[in-house]
Amino acid sequence: SAVISQKPSRDICQRGTSLTIQCQVDSQVTMMFWYRQQPGQSLTLIATANQGSEATYESGFVIDKFPISRPNLTFSTLTVSNMSPEDSSIYLCSCTGAGGKTGELFFGEGSRLTVL
Amino acid sequence: AQSVTQPDIHITVSEGASLELRCNYSYGATPYLFWYVQSPGQGLQLLLKYFSGDTLVQGIKGFEAEFKRSQSSFNLRKPSVHWSDAAEYFCAVGAAGTASKLTFGTGTRLQVTL
Repeated sequence: SAVISQKPSRDICQRGTSLTIQCQVDSQVTMMFWYRQQPGQSLTLIATANQGSEATYESGFVIDKFPISRPNLTFSTLTVSNMSPEDSSIYLCSCTGAGGKTGELFFGEGSRLTVL
Repeated sequence: AQSVTQPDIHITVSEGASLELRCNYSYGATPYLFWYVQSPGQGLQLLLKYFSGDTLVQGIKGFEAEFKRSQSSFNLRKPSVHWSDAAEYFCAVGAAGTASKLTFGTGTRLQVTL
């Protein structure tokens, strides 16, 4: 298994500002992902955070808006840039287990962002 | 492209009653299927998964799910619901080879009455 810690757990932000969310895993993991969960909706994959290289973004998400870093096998950050009220969501970090079991994703508790 | 449909947005059951949450998927080959639970203010926790083999899979907290290829379904069941089961339940599908990239359904919110 893997235990994920996310910071901040929640924040209220002003329109036009940027916020960086940190994700720390308690063990080295192969794959890390960032999901968005908009109010009352399901999870949407933003990107796969690749260690030592640029993240792989899903359709509809771009690096300029959601820059991602992954400097090592236990840590990643997601920045939400130039925020607007439409960015109000829960952002979830997830990872595969240390053994890399297919599809067994572990999730952090999420970072709830409210943009005014 | 793979997709997941959870037709029930909200379900209310009495404590002690049985539960079935529906999930239908669309995928061209044999899918990898998952059920996750999200309690209020919490992240998602894996309840159970199906990759291959026995189509009836057992999970944590007394949950089970049955894969029915002919119906493209993977319904979640529990014979007796506890008040602590109140949460949001998500069905997800992954493709073999990229199964860690999951597509989630819209979720079913379970309310349990005492």
